[in-house]
Amino acid sequence: KAGVTQTPRYLIKTRGQQVTLSCSPISGHRSVSWYQQTPGQGLQFLFEYFSETQRNKGNFPGRFSGRQFSNSRSEMNVSTLELGDSALYLCASSSDRPPDTQYFGPGTRLTVL
Amino acid sequence: AQKVTQAQTEISVVEKEDVTLDCVYETRDTTYYLFWYKQPPSGELVFLIRRNSFDEQNEISGRYSWNFQKSTSSFNFTITASQVVDSAVYFCALSFNSGNTPLVFGKGTRLSVIA
Repeated sequence: KAGVTQTPRYLIKTRGQQVTLSCSPISGHRSVSWYQQTPGQGLQFLFEYFSETQRNKGNFPGRFSGRQFSNSRSEMNVSTLELGDSALYLCASSSDRPPDTQYFGPGTRLTVL
Repeated sequence: AQKVTQAQTEISVVEKEDVTLDCVYETRDTTYYLFWYKQPPSGELVFLIRRNSFDEQNEISGRYSWNFQKSTSSFNFTITASQVVDSAVYFCALSFNSGNTPLVFGKGTRLSVIA
């Protein structure tokens, strides 16, 4: 089975721009979660989608948003980028049949200049 | 609130030494799950183990072993006969359910195994 894939792997943007990151879950997995990893804050949960609905949300500003498509693929968007948004963004998928495990993709490294 | 503490920020060992990575957690839930993930330099988080709160049996998988003790709220990870390929950042994580609820991560322990 193919693992979680994320595109692009690297991105460089400037302040004020917006960015869209994509995540394709493991086949058959319907839950997709997003995490932000920074040296200062570590790994923090952004949001989780299941069946095209946001089911859980972390403590991030409204500039961070996401969506999920009917094929379970997910995108996250960050608008009006700030320098502090520079991070590794990790996507994880799970089958949502407890007990289950979140399996992570390779991440998208975003640099905001 | 849930919290995971990995007090060891960085550990350096010589190849073939045994090393234990500590993890202490806090939660008020009676049902919860504990995880260990490995993050090599490539960045991907690699799943190592999941444990539920009702199963305190220790587990061994090859050179890896895990010691879960509810009495001390700890879930420690030992690598026996470490190898250079074990060099990575290791994260302990907690969730009150498995799979579809947010993982709360510790800050991670960077392990360097020197040849």
